[in-house]
Amino acid sequence: DQQVKQNSPSLSVQEGRISILNCDYTNSMFDYFLWYKKYPAEGPTFLISISSIKDKNEDGRFTVFLNKSAKHLSLHIVPSQPGDSAVYFCAASSPGNQFYFGTGTSLTVIP
Amino acid sequence: DAGITQSPRYKITETGRQVTLMCHQTWSHSYMFWYRQDLGHGLRLIYYSAAADITDKGEVPDGYVVSRSKTENFPLTLESATRSQTSVYFCASSESTWAGGTDTQYFGPGTRLTVL
Repeated sequence: DQQVKQNSPSLSVQEGRISILNCDYTNSMFDYFLWYKKYPAEGPTFLISISSIKDKNEDGRFTVFLNKSAKHLSLHIVPSQPGDSAVYFCAASSPGNQFYFGTGTSLTVIP
Repeated sequence: DAGITQSPRYKITETGRQVTLMCHQTWSHSYMFWYRQDLGHGLRLIYYSAAADITDKGEVPDGYVVSRSKTENFPLTLESATRSQTSVYFCASSESTWAGGTDTQYFGPGTRLTVL
């Protein structure tokens, strides 16, 4: 049973616009969330994280929002650039436990 | 080169054969992990290791064996490969326990394994 879900397998956005990637989770014990970015033929690379004591975390063009009551997090990329085209995975964990990853969303930024 | 490396990058084998995937990291990270990536499943944890000679099962351990005699190496062995083990395998490492929620896992480039 998938504890972390990314219901949109793909997303296309025009360069310069906002990209919003969504992630839902089912386990209310999850308290730490991450986003990873993956290019073809490479391993995932860490992008940004958020703990459950916050509802927002920013790092440059990337912002992650956490809505604990809805068990939902989202990654905003503003402005989107062609180099952002990749597969994005969200992941979640509870204290002392493994990370659970979503199935990924393939983002294409159109020049 | 510094970082985390995996070998081979590509492997084709036959059902029933034993296959070992290698993972090496140069950061002296305590934790190492093996994941498999499959369409529709994302990344799933196979095994992890908290230190040399300490390993534990993840979400999908059946059919796999790991060992960690040295901090820097974490090989994954498929003792008798099956077609369902066709996948992309990623090794990762982190410098601290995930209990605090402050660690980041660094991933290798992956090994694409095909079992015929």
